[in-house]
Amino acid sequence: DIQMTQSPSSLSASVGDRVTITCRASQSISSYLNWYQQKPGKAPKFLIYAASSLEGGVPSRFSGSGSGTEFTLTINSLQPEDFATYYCQQSYSTPQTFGQGTKVEIK
Amino acid sequence: QVKLVQSGAEVKKPGASVKVSCKASGYTFTNYYMHWVRQAPGQGLEWMGIINPSGATTNYAQKFQGRVTMTRDTSTSTVYMELSSLRSEDTAVYYCARDWSSNDGLDVWGQGTTVTVSS
Repeated sequence: DIQMTQSPSSLSASVGDRVTITCRASQSISSYLNWYQQKPGKAPKFLIYAASSLEGGVPSRFSGSGSGTEFTLTINSLQPEDFATYYCQQSYSTPQTFGQGTKVEIK
Repeated sequence: QVKLVQSGAEVKKPGASVKVSCKASGYTFTNYYMHWVRQAPGQGLEWMGIINPSGATTNYAQKFQGRVTMTRDTSTSTVYMELSSLRSEDTAVYYCARDWSSNDGLDVWGQGTTVTVSS
């Protein structure tokens, strides 16, 4: 199975900050990397697919990059509604594993 | 609009089975694979498996092999996930999620079904 490791596990940031979350795969997954946002008690929300393509309706302050084994999710100018937990997921092969999550909290 | 509506919460005893349904609407049901993902309390997301609603082929995570069965009913645009031999560690929220392009992520999710396993 491909292991996905996110860092950090949590971070504190202020409204307006730029935030970067890293996701590393245990082997190359090309660009088959997706990002989700989850708020407490809610289902995950699809943000980014194929490492860098923004899902429709997702604000442009979200961006993704990377290929192979290292990927990043960047949130420019953090907004109050962005405080949530973020997960990466590889869709290169089954089982389609998720990272352990990164909780973005208010500083 | 595209929507996935799951069945309600369940409470089961250890050793029992649970069957969760996920009814799709707003799109051609047989054109998109469906995944099941679970989340234990306070934990991350765990991929369980996938079903092709067109041919009913399935692919399960090794961890659940022998205990999970995913099926579909094309007449009602519904997929089902049955998990047997339940134990306390299976207490979780179970989600169905649509795979919009075979391997580029899960674009629509059900609201989740809480399954509690307790004696």
